[in-house]
Amino acid sequence: GAGVSQSPSNKVTEKGKDVELRCDPISGHTALYWYRQSLGQGLEFLIYFQGNSAPDKSGLPSDRFSAERTGGSVSTLTIQRTQQEDSAVYLCASSLPFSLDRVTEAFFGQGTRLTVV
Amino acid sequence: QKEVEQDPGPLSVPEGAIVSLNCTYSNSAFQYFMWYRQYSRKGPELLMYTYSSGNKEDGRFTAQVDKSSKYISLFIRDSQPSDSATYLCAMKKTLDSSYKLIFGSGTRLLVRP
Repeated sequence: GAGVSQSPSNKVTEKGKDVELRCDPISGHTALYWYRQSLGQGLEFLIYFQGNSAPDKSGLPSDRFSAERTGGSVSTLTIQRTQQEDSAVYLCASSLPFSLDRVTEAFFGQGTRLTVV
Repeated sequence: QKEVEQDPGPLSVPEGAIVSLNCTYSNSAFQYFMWYRQYSRKGPELLMYTYSSGNKEDGRFTAQVDKSSKYISLFIRDSQPSDSATYLCAMKKTLDSSYKLIFGSGTRLLVRP
C-alpha cells in the first residue's frame, strides 16, 4: 500500500523484556516521527528524523528508549527492559521535508498497541 | 498545566446537529493550528489547518482561531454518523524546524442516527 505501515499491530510483552517496533514510511518522505498515545491522552512526541539523523529526540522518556532509521526509510523504535507504564499505542508518521512557508502534512500509520504485563 | 487543553467528552449529538469542538492553549508562540480526526484503532488524519488567527472553511468543517484568547474551535455542520471519531487539536511553533506537534488529549464525538 501507499500509506505508512507499522508492525506489529499488537504486541504483548512481559515486564523487563525488550521490544522493537517497526515503521515503513511513505516512499519519498524524508521526515519521520514517532509519537506515543496513552489511554485518554493526546499524542506525545518522542523523536523526529530527517533522513537518517535525529535532530530532535527530546521526547524520548528515558534512556530505555532508542530509535534508529536506516537508508532514509525504515525506522525501528526499541524499548529496553519494558515497564508497565510503557503500555500505549506507538504511532509513526512521515512527511515531506519541513518547510517554513507551508504546513507539511504528516501521514500517520495505524500504530502498534503495546501491552506490558 | 498542559500546554494544550481539550475536553475529552464524550460528546453525543443527534444526526444533523452542529458540533463545536474546542481547545485552549497557553503558549503564545504557537502559530499553526490543526485538527485531526482519529477513528478507533486507526492513526490520526489531518482534517484542517490554519495559520495564525481567522477562519477557514472546508465543506461542512470550519476551523476558527482566536489568538488573543488562545482558543481554537472546529465546527461541524450537518453532522453525520460517519463523523463519530476522536478529534484532536494540534499546534506548532512557526520557527520550529521539526514537525513537533503538541496535541490536545482529544474529544470523542458520537453522532447518533
